[in-house]
Amino acid sequence: DTGVSQNPRHKITKRGQNVTFRCDPISEHNRLYWYRQTLGQGPEFLTYFQNEAQLEKSRLLSDRFSAERPKGSFSTLEIQRTEQGDSAMYLCASSLPQGAKTETQYFGPGTRLLVL
Amino acid sequence: GENVEQHPSTLSVQEGDSAVIKCTYSDSASNYFPWYKQELGKRPQLIIDIRSNVGEKKDQRIAVTLNKTAKHFSLHITETQPEDSAVYFCAASYNTNAGKSTFGDGTTLTVKP
Repeated sequence: DTGVSQNPRHKITKRGQNVTFRCDPISEHNRLYWYRQTLGQGPEFLTYFQNEAQLEKSRLLSDRFSAERPKGSFSTLEIQRTEQGDSAMYLCASSLPQGAKTETQYFGPGTRLLVL
Repeated sequence: GENVEQHPSTLSVQEGDSAVIKCTYSDSASNYFPWYKQELGKRPQLIIDIRSNVGEKKDQRIAVTLNKTAKHFSLHITETQPEDSAVYFCAASYNTNAGKSTFGDGTTLTVKP
């Protein structure tokens, strides 16, 4: 499968614990996005990377959230001291560079987080 | 920042009828408008997109129209089939902001056989 992959697909954790999610984008895509989706709503932008540089962070991304893309390939999203309100689907997407033929964002299957 | 509103939130049609979903956006700088289909428990998948320099685009039973002046765009599905049943999301983005997308809240389309 050459699409965007995410691990784990499901995560159940207790409030206060730390969790880390991984995203592997499509290999030639240098842009990588993290979104959060709750039931009945569209994906909400969290943060964006171009290669290894984190270029934008949403105000939704509190200090408990951190994302990295150390080598410009895979990315990790860590949530520290999880809260019940963090329960959501975390989606990763990737796209070709600006100016490419298409700027379509291809989504991964998501990681569903449940904080008890 | 950009704000995207999507209507209706739910839409039920008979098989073979047409379905129309409408979105409005607030930022006139937005220049790229994709539509995604998301089936239950699955990832959003692009079904059609349109750039701001085009007024209409068609792909078989699916079409998208864009009115830049009014800042709204619509998805049209003709000859609907039960397998079209899903949640549809519109989005707006602009290149100068590196292409991050602002999504609508989705429309749940149900096609009754």
